[in-house]
Amino acid sequence: EAGVAQSPRYKIIEKRQSVAFWCNPISGHATLYWYQQILGQGPKLLIQFQNNGVVDDSQLPKDRFSAERLKGVDSTLKIQPAKLEDSAVYLCASSLYPSSYNSPLHFGNGTRLTVT
Amino acid sequence: KQEVTQIPAALSVPEGENLVLNCSFTDSAIYNLQWFRQDPGKGLTSLLLIQSSQREQTSGRLNASLDKSSGRSTLYIAASQPGDSATYLCAPATSGTYKYIFGTGTRLKVLA
Repeated sequence: EAGVAQSPRYKIIEKRQSVAFWCNPISGHATLYWYQQILGQGPKLLIQFQNNGVVDDSQLPKDRFSAERLKGVDSTLKIQPAKLEDSAVYLCASSLYPSSYNSPLHFGNGTRLTVT
Repeated sequence: KQEVTQIPAALSVPEGENLVLNCSFTDSAIYNLQWFRQDPGKGLTSLLLIQSSQREQTSGRLNASLDKSSGRSTLYIAASQPGDSATYLCAPATSGTYKYIFGTGTRLKVLA
């Protein structure tokens, strides 16, 4: 099966600019997650979708971050305006729902964002 | 709020050693727990998934155990190889929401 696709792979922007990341989960996976991973730390959950509905966005900085998952398939994460502290790798993951007995979390390779 | 701790933060061992990585979590109301491997510049790859009703799960040289009541999981790697060098992360999934919370990982280096 094809894996989780993310683009772009790298992005460099200046602070106060905007940026968008795209994720296409594995076909049939209803649950989609966006994580932020700062260098040397574990991934931090930003938002979790179930089909096209939001399950959890408690740690999403809503004044600057937004995410959508139209039609319950692919998803975009946007930052506007970006800050220096947003420099991180943004990881997308997907899984079957409900989390099936042997259904692991599948990750894409991530987008590395550098804010200068 | 779930908090996940992994010990040690880094580990360097000679090839062939058996080793244990530890993961502890504060909220025992979990659906399952996964162990992941992350290579530099890459995403995470799921190694093992243990359901909350299970005690152990094995895949090749890897064995993961889960003690949900005490909030602990261990990943045992037998006969370590240089190719095992990576960062290993654990993530329990909260019951009901399937929200995965990650630890900071253990950075493993296996010396040839």
